[in-house]
This record gives sequence, C-alpha cells and structure tokens, in this order.
Amino acid sequence: GQQVMQIPQYQHVQEGEDFTTYCNSSTTLSNIQWYKQRPGGHPVFLIQLVKSGEVKKQKRLTFQFGEAKKNSSLHITATQTTDVGTYFCAGSNYGQNFVFGPGTRLSVLP
Amino acid sequence: DGGITQSPKYLFRKEGQNVTLSCEQNLNHDAMYWYRQDPGQGLRLIYYSQIVNDFQKGDIAEGYSVSREKKESFPLTVTSAQKNPTAFYLCASKWGAGSYEQYFGPGTRLTVT
Repeated sequence: GQQVMQIPQYQHVQEGEDFTTYCNSSTTLSNIQWYKQRPGGHPVFLIQLVKSGEVKKQKRLTFQFGEAKKNSSLHITATQTTDVGTYFCAGSNYGQNFVFGPGTRLSVLP
Repeated sequence: DGGITQSPKYLFRKEGQNVTLSCEQNLNHDAMYWYRQDPGQGLRLIYYSQIVNDFQKGDIAEGYSVSREKKESFPLTVTSAQKNPTAFYLCASKWGAGSYEQYFGPGTRLTVT
C-alpha cells in the first residue's frame, strides 16, 4: 500500500533560522496536504497542493509539490517560537483516503 | 459555534473493558474519520464513514468498532480485543469524499491499565 515518509523526524533550530521538512510518497499522488499540530493539540490544516511543481506561500511558509508528484516540502523562513509543533504531510491518490506521514517535530530555541 | 467535539479529553479504563469515545460535528460534513496517534508516529486510520449508515475499515480496524446512525455523530468503541489500546484518538470530518481539508476534534487520550 501507499507509504508516506518524512524527514527529518526532529529538528531543533535557533529562533530566526530557517527550517525545511521533506515528504516522500511511495506512489504518485493526486494531491498532498500539510497539517500542523501544536504540542498537546490537534492537527490543523495548512494547505493543499494539486499541481506538479506547484509552489504556494503563506507568509513565512513555502510549500512545494514535486514535478513527479511523489514528494513535497515545507520551508519556514526565519522561524519563530510560534512555529513550534509537529508538521505532517498527507497524500492521496485520486479519491483514496489520505495517508499521513510520521511528522517532523520542530523545536525553536529562543 | 461550528466544529467537532470529542469527549472526554482524558479517559482511563481497566484492561478487558470496552470503552466508547464520542465524536460529534455540526459542520454538516458527510465524511467522518477516526485516527489513532502514538508517540512519535503519524496518524493511522482506524475507520471512516462517507455517509450515514455506512462505514469502512481503515488500516488498523482490528479491535475497534464504529456506528454512523446520524450524520453528526461517529462514536468509536475500543473493545477488549484491541491489544494496545492506550493512545491518542482523533476524530475528523470533511466535505464528501473529495480532496478537502479535514477538520480535527481536540482528541481523547485513552489510558488502559
């Protein structure tokens, strides 16, 4: 079945540094979603990407969908303490349920 | 105030007991989902329902059961057959079966001793 991997598992950065998490699927995806889960909280939807090579920005966050639609990345510029949490990608293949990656836990040191 | 509610937030049970976790949504969403989250792991799909009176097994359905008698409600029963029931359980809902964002409830942390 479809598998979704994410690297790194953990990332510790100093406030102001950049951060990137990578998501890789074992199969081609029709779309990919990103969620953020704050410590002790629940996942909250950030964005969905559907087109090959698509790049979307939300303030300091940049999301990219690979040309082959098998990988994606989330880049945060100049991290802040409010960015702390676990970032999950979730991939779907044409109407099938979304499969979540294991997440990347981000710690930001002030 | 629209959203998804899960109750209780924390639940403690003795081994061998069945326990039912509540999930209610007033978003008028058709599809509802139950996930399990273990420390350091992603979300694993237990059961899902695309429409009232219909539900399907997810990747880890063994030891769990669900019902969908009302659009707003999708309770999950963790049975005594579930070997490792201690986990964080998340309920989610979304519009239909298409590629829409999932809205998650606050979760229930179940501890079985």
